[in-house]
Amino acid sequence: GEDVEQSLFLSVREGDSSVINCTYTDSSSTYLYWYKQEPGAGLQLLTYIFSNMDMKQDQRLTVLLNKKDKHLSLRIADTQTGDSAIYFCAESISGSARQLTFGSGTQLTVLP
Amino acid sequence: DAGVIQSPRHEVTEMGQEVTLRCKPISGHDYLFWYRQTMMRGLELLIYFNNNVPIDDSGMPEDRFSAKMPNASFSTLKIQPSEPRDSAVYFCASTQGGSSNEKLFFGSGTQLSVL
Repeated sequence: GEDVEQSLFLSVREGDSSVINCTYTDSSSTYLYWYKQEPGAGLQLLTYIFSNMDMKQDQRLTVLLNKKDKHLSLRIADTQTGDSAIYFCAESISGSARQLTFGSGTQLTVLP
Repeated sequence: DAGVIQSPRHEVTEMGQEVTLRCKPISGHDYLFWYRQTMMRGLELLIYFNNNVPIDDSGMPEDRFSAKMPNASFSTLKIQPSEPRDSAVYFCASTQGGSSNEKLFFGSGTQLSVL
């Protein structure tokens, strides 16, 4: 079955870049997602990448996809204290929300 | 649109009591999902509905859990009787199906504590 793995914690200094990593097992995944969960809130879709892409950039966010290694990363440039949150990687085989598999989430702490 | 709305935000109850969690999906969305989040198990899909009909309830932990969707704008998740191990954050989410990339929108969740 599908499995998505992430490291649990990451700490960075304000202004540095953050890189959050994710590995997945299902090679037939078509869409891969990054969700952000702020304290006391639900998950919010940050960005996504289609499986035929290697990279997607959206302002301070860069998503890199290595299909061969089934590795996904989210880079946040110039990390701010407001970026402190839990970041979830998720995969979907068909782009369907009914077939989303979430990772355990990475707690990002931004230190002043 | 106000987004997915859940109530209550927090619920504290005693073991054995009935608990009802409520959700209003985004207007026009035809899929509604209930998730449970715990430290130990992460985010788990409990059940989802399409056009108010339950499609997959294989994630519902046991018969103490039930969910209904009487109309397109309202769903409930009920636990009866509740147990301390049910303590978790319960999220409702919705999406509009039919596209090649269905984006899921989450509510703010209900923090449930069963004492």
